Amino acid sequence: DQQVKQNSPSLSVQEGRISILNCDYTNSMFDYFLWYKKYPAEGPTFLISISSIKDKNEDGRFTVFLNKSAKHLSLHIVPSQPGDSAVYFCAASAKSNAGNMLTFGGGTRLMVKP
Amino acid sequence: ETGVTQSPTHLIKTRGQQVTLRCSSQSGHNTVSWYQQALGQGPQFIFQYYREEENGRGNFPPRFSGLQFPNYSSELNVNALELDDSALYLCASSFSLHEQFFGPGTRLTVL
Repeated sequence: DQQVKQNSPSLSVQEGRISILNCDYTNSMFDYFLWYKKYPAEGPTFLISISSIKDKNEDGRFTVFLNKSAKHLSLHIVPSQPGDSAVYFCAASAKSNAGNMLTFGGGTRLMVKP
Repeated sequence: ETGVTQSPTHLIKTRGQQVTLRCSSQSGHNTVSWYQQALGQGPQFIFQYYREEENGRGNFPPRFSGLQFPNYSSELNVNALELDDSALYLCASSFSLHEQFFGPGTRLTVL
């Protein structure tokens, strides 16, 4: 049972345009959500996070939106740059007996074309 | 400030062997988590250590075990290796409750 899903395995956008990456979750106990970016041969790099008490968090070109009723979050990158080309993972966590384990989606490969 | 480091970078083992992977946490971090990332998938939580005690465990068999040392570095041990254990093993350290910072990973190949 996949508790965090990224339904788009890949996304291609033109440089300067908006990239929107989507993520759905099923576990209502999740109270914190994170986005990570991963380049080949490197570990995931933390990008931005959002607590369940908020519906939006912004950091420079990156904005994460959370819709709790729909159990959906999205990452907006504006404007997109070629260096943003990477695999993006959505992750969620909840206070539980398993520590603050992160549950990851399967990832979306973003390609930003010059 | 040094980030999370892992060793070795790559490793090849045969089925049935045992392996130890190592992780040095980021300065100031007291929690280490281990994840397994199979090809084309997201990372899956193996377990977490906080102040040298196991603080949570994912859906992995007991042949996956770990340690955390007083300096907060950590080891992941896998016994009786199986072909399906071939994956990228990621270590992440944290201080706060949520944000985890990942190392570059160890690529394990089981033949």
